[in-house]
Amino acid sequence: EVQLVESGGGLVRPGGSLRLSCAASGFIVKNNYMSWVRQAPGKGLEWVSVIYGGDTTYYADSVKGRFTISRDNSKNTLYLQMNSLRAEDTAMYYCAIYTVTDYFDNWGQGTLVTVSS
Amino acid sequence: QTVVTQEPAFSVSPGGTVTLTCGLSSGSVSTSYYPSWYQQTPGQAPRTLIYSTNTRSSGVPDRFSGSILGNKAALTITGAQADDESDYYCVLYMGSGISVFGGGTKLTVL
Repeated sequence: EVQLVESGGGLVRPGGSLRLSCAASGFIVKNNYMSWVRQAPGKGLEWVSVIYGGDTTYYADSVKGRFTISRDNSKNTLYLQMNSLRAEDTAMYYCAIYTVTDYFDNWGQGTLVTVSS
Repeated sequence: QTVVTQEPAFSVSPGGTVTLTCGLSSGSVSTSYYPSWYQQTPGQAPRTLIYSTNTRSSGVPDRFSGSILGNKAALTITGAQADDESDYYCVLYMGSGISVFGGGTKLTVL
């Protein structure tokens, strides 16, 4: 069974950093495209980043230069390193498989990031 | 900047049919945007319903269907049930690795 479990969320001050993890089971992360999607409280979903095979990465303009997506194949885990955090980064962060036919599948349950002083 | 548009809210009677749409602030949606649709209930992760315009994800009932209607992508729910009351999001693939979510439609079944 395919499963994604996010962790690493929490309360962080503006300007701080946080690294989110997404542990995968039932499939091999390095053989799949993977993505992060976030949802601010009471708001809609927002695509954040994707990592393709060969480790090509793309980012939403809102996080470009501050966030870095990566994966550790030995741990079968996806990461999102978030630096220079802002209040507007407060959101539930979901990881998902991003399929070759350009859609999101097998969503995790999310991890909450709160940026506040 | 491209904006993906959805109706903010819609209502449907139990057993009725409703069509939610997904458009572009500029231009027409085609299959080349690989439209996909997601259902989300409060406090839950999104659930994939439709991908590549009209392919149902595994386990999704056939009363959910996707299409292109005019210049928009569309999600049609036929025979709406109470537990279809959810938020529905579309996503369009813009190329160069970029996906854009619509603002979502809150569907009420009453």
